[in-house]
Amino acid sequence: DAGVIQSPRHEVTEMGQEVTLRCKPISGHNSLFWYRQTMMRGLELLIYFNNNVPIDDSGMPEDRFSAKMPNASFSTLKIQPSEPRDSAVYFCASRPGRTYNEQFFGPGTRLTVL
Amino acid sequence: AQTVTQSQPEMSVQEAETVTLSCTYDTSESDYYLFWYKQPPSRQMILVIRQEAYKQQNATENRFSVNFQKAAKSFSLKISDSQLGDAAMYFCAYRSESYTGTASKLTFGTGTRLQVTL
Repeated sequence: DAGVIQSPRHEVTEMGQEVTLRCKPISGHNSLFWYRQTMMRGLELLIYFNNNVPIDDSGMPEDRFSAKMPNASFSTLKIQPSEPRDSAVYFCASRPGRTYNEQFFGPGTRLTVL
Repeated sequence: AQTVTQSQPEMSVQEAETVTLSCTYDTSESDYYLFWYKQPPSRQMILVIRQEAYKQQNATENRFSVNFQKAAKSFSLKISDSQLGDAAMYFCAYRSESYTGTASKLTFGTGTRLQVTL
């Protein structure tokens, strides 16, 4: 079991550029979560998918952020245009089903926007 | 909305000793789940232990145990026989028992950085 896979592990970009973060959940898991971790705000949920459908995106900070899950094995989080305050570690997590308690986290993507 | 509070930004423990990390939470729900996650320097979030609110018995996983006080809304983590590999950030998290919408998310505390000294 490879666990949740995220790419890239590190991303450095300049303000105004588009950034795409990728996540491959654990096979068979049908719930997927995107979290953001910053020193100021800690770990926050951005968006949650169940069976590829976005269930709750109330944590997405603004329209510059968008997330998709075109199939059960892939999700993207896109920031366009990026800003320095978007610098953070972005985690993807998956869960076997809605009734399961544990979320399995990926290694995270450290994003730096200059 | 639920909130999770970890009042100890940093803690230190000597190897082989015992340390307790504090966590309190605020909720109006009667059924929920509580978790402790460990985040080592690698950034990986690792589940340490979980507790179902309906269970009176405190959860235990090897050297890790919790003291769950439902009435006081307190959920502390005790690490016995501390090891150098226990050094990490520890996050307390809450999840509603409900399976709908925002209830599925984890609400995290701000974390406690644990140092383990020789």
